[in-house]
Amino acid sequence: AQRVTQPEKLLSVFKGAPVELKCNYSYSGSPELFWYVQYSRQRLQLLLRHISRESIKGFTADLNKGETSFHLKKPFAQEEDSAMYYCALDEATASKLTFGTGTRLQVTL
Amino acid sequence: KAGVTQTPRYLIKTRGQQVTLSCSPISGHRSVSWYQQTPGQGLQFLFEYFSETQRNKGNFPGRFSGRQFSNSRSEMNVSTLELGDSALYLCASSFRTGDHFIYGYTFGSGTRLTVV
Repeated sequence: AQRVTQPEKLLSVFKGAPVELKCNYSYSGSPELFWYVQYSRQRLQLLLRHISRESIKGFTADLNKGETSFHLKKPFAQEEDSAMYYCALDEATASKLTFGTGTRLQVTL
Repeated sequence: KAGVTQTPRYLIKTRGQQVTLSCSPISGHRSVSWYQQTPGQGLQFLFEYFSETQRNKGNFPGRFSGRQFSNSRSEMNVSTLELGDSALYLCASSFRTGDHFIYGYTFGSGTRLTVV
């Protein structure tokens, strides 16, 4: 069965420091991977898809099939990045997201 | 473009009652999926509907059911409510053509259900 692991419940960094939120997955097929973000009192929002290979709000994520990882990175953290981040996997032919447990990013001055 | 709309935003129900939650997807999106979010279990998939057919179901008891209408609006129903059903229920819509997935899922704000 597919599984998404986010090992850190909380990641606390200083403003301007680099950020890396870890995500590992387990899936036998060809996955589609996402990062979703949930700011305080807001709805879950799509941040990145691995397929689009784009940078949103300075965040990037590269799919590493060899290490089955999809870590989220940002070179310089901003206060407004403080939020809950979820890594999610979508099976190739099913509209079914499997989420990790989430990592709370806390950016402090 | 209007987003995904879920109603009601909040609900308080008593154990044993049943509840119906509603979700209106983004116009043109035919796939609607439902998730339960709790502090203990996180985000868990309930089921997905496409063109009025349930295509996928998560590991939830039969008390959880859903349906989708011809206009793609979806409802989920929980019967014989238990205290453990207290959660934020999220609906997401997506646009697919066959097996091709065009955009990511767009989530609604959710319905917060409290069972007392």
